[in-house]
This record gives sequence, structure tokens and C-alpha cells, in this order.
Amino acid sequence: KNEVEQSPQNLTAQEGEFITINCSYSVGISALHWLQQHPGGGIVSLFMLSSGKKKHGRLIATINIQEKHSSLHITASHPRDSAVYICAVRWIGGGADGLTFGKGTHLIIQP
Amino acid sequence: ETGVTQSPTHLIKTRGQQVTLRCSSQSGHNTVSWYQQALGQGPQFIFQYYREEENGRGNFPPRFSGLQFPNYSSELNVNALELDDSALYLCASSPRYSAEQYFGPGTRLTVT
Repeated sequence: KNEVEQSPQNLTAQEGEFITINCSYSVGISALHWLQQHPGGGIVSLFMLSSGKKKHGRLIATINIQEKHSSLHITASHPRDSAVYICAVRWIGGGADGLTFGKGTHLIIQP
Repeated sequence: ETGVTQSPTHLIKTRGQQVTLRCSSQSGHNTVSWYQQALGQGPQFIFQYYREEENGRGNFPPRFSGLQFPNYSSELNVNALELDDSALYLCASSPRYSAEQYFGPGTRLTVT
């Protein structure tokens, strides 16, 4: 079964800390998404990656296709970054199969 | 440009009843996917619609069905509701042949 694993499941940090969330997957993908979900449910797409690295503000996402691994980094973390961060992938050849999601990382940034 | 919208926001139903959830896709997006997210879990793919036809389905029973309309809006119908159907239902729209997905705010369904 194709799977997506995230770590850690829960992370509590102090404001200003550098945060890393990891995602690994089992077989080849055509795209990897990092998503943010706040309490109440709405999901916001942060990044879509198929190779390399992307940066948006304090957020950086990297992917290593050979190692089947991606990381999401948050620099200078702030309490408003508190949310669930979800990694999701589209498997190669799975165009009509939707995304497969990890269980999410619950991040709390304390002031 | 309006984003993806879903209605209703919250819904409470009784076991055995039927429910219809609605999704309006982002302007110009002709593909809609539906996901179920149980509490504490990641979303699970239910099915995808393109040009009014289902063209992909996850591991969900036939009592989960859908429709897509000419304006690309979509409905998710669930018959014979079970307690385990209690979840957040998310729809996401995308342009055809794009891996980008734009999510709606979700409908929280509670089955009692």
C-alpha cells in the first residue's frame, strides 16, 4: 500500500525557533503538497513541489526525489504559525486518484 | 476570482438518513475532488469528477455518490448514513492536467 509518513506527530516550540517537519513516502510521485490546516478545518495550500526547493516568506519546502523525502521549514516561528501541517502526494500515474495524505503534524508555537 | 466554497458549514443527521453536500469550484477549474477527514486523521480521497463524470474513486462504498454540473459545481451524496461517516468533508478544485488543488473550507457532518 502506498503510504505517506510524517514526523513528528506533535511539536511544541517557543516563538522564534526554527521548525522542521518531515515527510517520507513509499513510491514514486509526480507532485508533493504541503498544506496548512487551522482549527475549524479549512485547508490552505502552502507549496506544491516536484523537485528542489521553494521559499515563501518564512516558509521553505525541500524535496529529495531519490530519498523519497520532503521537509517543511519555518524560520522565526510565531504563535500564528500554530496549525496542523499536512503532507500530501500524487503518485506517478495516479492522475485521477486524488491525493494521498499524511496524518499531519500538530504544531504549537508558544509566545 | 472567487475561491472554492462549500455548503452547509455544519450538519447534523441521524443514522440511516441521506445527506447532500455542495461545492462550488474556483472559477475556471473543471475538476473537483472530494475528501473525507475523520477526527485526528489526514483526509482520504473519495472521488474525482471531470466534465460531469466520475473519473477516479478511492476506497469508499457505493452509498457515497456524486454529481458534477455544467458549471463545474459538485455534490456529494451519502445514503444510509452510519456513525463512522461523521467527519469533515472537503472538496478541492483544480484546472485539468494540473497537480494544484484548491481546497474549500469543508462541511462538518455529525451523524448521531
